[in-house]
Amino acid sequence: DADVTQTPRNRITKTGKRIMLECSQTKGHDRMYWYRQDPGLGLRLIYYSFDVKDINKGEISDGYSVSRQAQAKFSLSLESAIPNQTALYFCATSDSASGQETQYFGPGTRLLVL
Amino acid sequence: GEDVEQSLFLSVREGDSSVINCTYTDSSSTYLYWYKQEPGAGLQLLTYIFSNMDMKQDQRLTVLLNKKDKHLSLRIADTQTGDSAIYFCAERGPGGSYIPTFGRGTSLIVHP
Repeated sequence: DADVTQTPRNRITKTGKRIMLECSQTKGHDRMYWYRQDPGLGLRLIYYSFDVKDINKGEISDGYSVSRQAQAKFSLSLESAIPNQTALYFCATSDSASGQETQYFGPGTRLLVL
Repeated sequence: GEDVEQSLFLSVREGDSSVINCTYTDSSSTYLYWYKQEPGAGLQLLTYIFSNMDMKQDQRLTVLLNKKDKHLSLRIADTQTGDSAIYFCAERGPGGSYIPTFGRGTSLIVHP
């Protein structure tokens, strides 16, 4: 079983709809992250959480919100989806107790906003 | 702020060596990473180097770090078609509050 899972894997939605992307991990890591990937722009950090109830804005948090109610789960919400939020979204985890703090990525959620 | 730069594309012939380059601006970077993203998948750590090292070798992979010039490279020997992927350079500063900064990724295309 995958250590970091994301649901759904693909989603099509309409402008103005609220949607939620879920991320779960079985690695026992304390830190979790949400990124979006766009062609030619690489990975951009949306939000990150160092522990339960800890929430920090990343580079591009406008239009997004997150929730970290449990150590293993970190959800990303688009309050009112717009077409330029069409992208590939990745969740990642890391363990602050490890020296190099490798990030472990989920398989991604491909979102299309019409 | 921190910045990590990579060229967007590299094309090599199967069996040749590939060298992917990266420059970064944060002189306090402690760890530097190479991640690989295969088509349709998330990123996976390929290797990392601590800032007090200048070289790390792992089978076909060689990482070189020039801290003075803030330059990191990844050499893949005997490149195979299975090495075709996007390679991301990333760096992280010292201390627990630092978040890694990623480059835009280099698409490596290996042709026969």
